[in-house]
Amino acid sequence: GAVVSQHPSWVICKSGTSVKIECRSLDFQATTMFWYRQFPKQSLMLMATSNEGSKATYEQGVEKDKFLINHASLTLSTLTVTSAHPEDSSFYICSCFRENTEAFFGQGTRLTVV
Amino acid sequence: GQNIDQPTEMTATEGAIVQINCTYQTSGFNGLFWYQQHAGEAPTFLSYNVLDGLEEKGRFSSFLSRSKGYSYLLLKELQMKDSASYLCAVRDSNYQLIWGAGTKLIIKP
Repeated sequence: GAVVSQHPSWVICKSGTSVKIECRSLDFQATTMFWYRQFPKQSLMLMATSNEGSKATYEQGVEKDKFLINHASLTLSTLTVTSAHPEDSSFYICSCFRENTEAFFGQGTRLTVV
Repeated sequence: GQNIDQPTEMTATEGAIVQINCTYQTSGFNGLFWYQQHAGEAPTFLSYNVLDGLEEKGRFSSFLSRSKGYSYLLLKELQMKDSASYLCAVRDSNYQLIWGAGTKLIIKP
């Protein structure tokens, strides 16, 4: 079964609104979670690294004020897309390592901004 | 800079064997991963190599040569459901995953 749960799996929102995506590790503690976005027919692009109890580390070119990340517990990280616009429409995926070996992914969230 | 190279697309026949290569240049090495991704879905873990050699798991095997910066994923007895993208990723010295662009594998009857 799934070891990382991501919710929602898809969402459609109006331009200008905010959307929150949750990522939970189900049977282990994840001090670090990774957030990716993926455009069609492209590979994963790391957006930010989320560390429990501290500020996230954002990749170059990713607006931290637009993509708010909160990692308040060892099993939950959230990504909030604020004031979403159509160009933010993408597939967002979270990931974390279990026992420092296998990296597991959430199911992904397909965001469509209209 | 850091770089992962893998072929963009490969075609194989159902029942056959296919090898997908991956070469990498990264700052440090803490393991290499192979993932399978079907269109519209999140990647699924296939294999993890940190030492040189071959790791076999059912129909799938993965090989690593750290000195050559090279890995391959071998898929045997291909099935139509194996049509997917296969992603190679290397974990660098900062424990971040560096991703290849993925290889789209097309299986023909």
